[in-house]
Amino acid sequence: DAGVIQSPRHEVTEMGQEVTLRCKPISGHDYLFWYRQTMMRGLELLIYFNNNVPIDDSGMPEDRFSAKMPNASFSTLKIQPSEPRDSAVYFCASSLGKGKGQPQHFGDGTRLSIL
Amino acid sequence: EDQVTQSPEALRLQEGESSSLNCSYTVSGLRGLFWYRQDPGKGPEFLFTLYSAGEEKEKERLKATLTKKESFLHITAPKPEDSATYLCAVQAGNYGGSQGNLIFGKGTKLSVKP
Repeated sequence: DAGVIQSPRHEVTEMGQEVTLRCKPISGHDYLFWYRQTMMRGLELLIYFNNNVPIDDSGMPEDRFSAKMPNASFSTLKIQPSEPRDSAVYFCASSLGKGKGQPQHFGDGTRLSIL
Repeated sequence: EDQVTQSPEALRLQEGESSSLNCSYTVSGLRGLFWYRQDPGKGPEFLFTLYSAGEEKEKERLKATLTKKESFLHITAPKPEDSATYLCAVQAGNYGGSQGNLIFGKGTKLSVKP
């Protein structure tokens, strides 16, 4: 079975440019999560969706970050304008429900470098 | 504040040398404690969920245990292919939109030399 698919795997761009990260969750999963991973802070939840609706975006660092989920099989995380401190690995994860003990399944991430 | 601390940050073992990784946590109403494995350039891969103190789960050379304040991941006779970063996460039991969210530790990087 296909897992969570993210694209691109790597993105290098200059400061000030718009960056769009993409995610396809596991088919049938109703929750989708966006995380950011850095050496200093580890894995941090940015935002999550339930049935395509954003539920908790309290982890989104600034208004420069936005996320959408237009349908059950696609989500985007956009940074505009990008800054060097946004450099990190961004992961998308999905799960079937969010009940007790329900694991999240992760994609392989997008490594983002802002010059 | 919900918090997860993993130790050590890095661990080097010889093949066959058993050891344990620690995950200490404080959380309001633990709903579950998760162990993940992360290989370089990959996303975290789910290993185990533990729900209550005293519970144990095993998979090949790995055994996870849980107490009211910490979890251990025991690695018995490790092999080089067990080299990875092991992440611990707790599932929060507080109410509202953040209920059920995972809070991750920073991980333990395990290296097993042949």
